[in-house]
Amino acid sequence: GQQLNQSPQSMFIQEGEDVSMNCTSSSIFNTWLWYKQDPGEGPVLLIALYKAGELTSNGRLTAQFGITRKDSFLNISASIPSDVGIYFCAGLLTGNQFYFGTGTSLTVIP
Amino acid sequence: DAMVIQNPRYQVTQFGKPVTLSCSQTLNHNVMYWYQQKSSQAPKLLFHYYDKDFNNEADTPDNFQSRRPNTSFCFLDIRSPGLGDAAMYLCATSRAWDSNQPQHFGDGTRLSIL
Repeated sequence: GQQLNQSPQSMFIQEGEDVSMNCTSSSIFNTWLWYKQDPGEGPVLLIALYKAGELTSNGRLTAQFGITRKDSFLNISASIPSDVGIYFCAGLLTGNQFYFGTGTSLTVIP
Repeated sequence: DAMVIQNPRYQVTQFGKPVTLSCSQTLNHNVMYWYQQKSSQAPKLLFHYYDKDFNNEADTPDNFQSRRPNTSFCFLDIRSPGLGDAAMYLCATSRAWDSNQPQHFGDGTRLSIL
């Protein structure tokens, strides 16, 4: 199957700091998605990206669909304690083939 | 309001005792998926239904079965759970097979095996 590598694997940051994480693949994707998963809960969709170069914001979150269609990044500005969780990227190929990234665990220190 | 609903949230069963997990959706989506997620790992797709068509992933054990009696409901049956089947099981839906639309997840059922 397709391999989506996320980095960093984990992050420990102070409240108020900005966060940046990315997702890379050797394959081209048609859609990039970012999900957040809280402990004991299911993944919740944060941002969906449908076009190469697209930059989309959702509150303090901003994500971009890479020009090469092989990568995407997610930025969180002014982090707060409730940003804690695991962030997964996901890539979508035609035929709704859906691949998760390896996840980035975020810890925010108050 | 929750749109993909999984019951129960926590399930405990005995080694070898069949167990069924359920998922319902109010989104009227054509595709329903079942994932297994173990601690600190990404969800792993077990199978999906596109309407009534069942699609099994190649590496899904035979121990795992699924039923979709109608658009709204989908069940995961584990015939003889082993200790290695303890995990979070996630149900997801998406609108159509070729729509490039995101999957929407339920809150999962955490399965423990005694």
